[in-house]
Amino acid sequence: GDSVTQMEGPVTLSEEAFLTINCTYTATGYPSLFWYVQYPGEGLQLLLKATKADDKGSNKGFEATYRKETTSFHLEKGSVQVSDSAVYFCALPNTGNQFYFGTGTSLTVIP
Amino acid sequence: DVKVTQSSRYLVKRTGEKVFLECVQDMDHENMFWYRQDPGLGLRLIYFSYDVKMKEKGDIPEGYSVSREKKERFSLILESASTNQTSMYLCASSRSTGWTYNEQFFGPGTRLTVL
Repeated sequence: GDSVTQMEGPVTLSEEAFLTINCTYTATGYPSLFWYVQYPGEGLQLLLKATKADDKGSNKGFEATYRKETTSFHLEKGSVQVSDSAVYFCALPNTGNQFYFGTGTSLTVIP
Repeated sequence: DVKVTQSSRYLVKRTGEKVFLECVQDMDHENMFWYRQDPGLGLRLIYFSYDVKMKEKGDIPEGYSVSREKKERFSLILESASTNQTSMYLCASSRSTGWTYNEQFFGPGTRLTVL
């Protein structure tokens, strides 16, 4: 069945370091792909999405490119800040407006 | 500003108690969802609803029930709380527009501890 797999954390980086969080998916067809972020003490919120192959989603300095040849949607940011400390979830739509969510990757950025 | 609110941020209950978790959205969304979030397991769908008085089981419905009497409100009920239901509970809502997969908006969560 459809699923997403994302890299396990936790990830700890120094401020201004480069970030990659890996996400791969298994699905029939070419679904839209999403990244959600959960800041401490809050619910999840949409970070970015891509609706078709080769699309790049971007927001708040984060980017992810939908690559159908590797079934991947890795999240990247060139220079992380302390305020980026959060848990990041890769997500794949399911039928009926549902989502499959990855297990989440916790990121801590230290000054 | 769109909003999903949950009745409590923190809740402590005893084993065997009946527990009500309330969720309200102000976006006139058709779809509402209840998830539980546990370390290493991510989000797991408990129940969802596409419309008033309508409900569907998610991946882990056992030990839970739901109620949706009004469009804006979706309640999760633990009929007899057990310690393995200690978790973070997240409510979400989304618009229904045919085949488009719409963003889900989440509440801040309720951290439930069952003693």
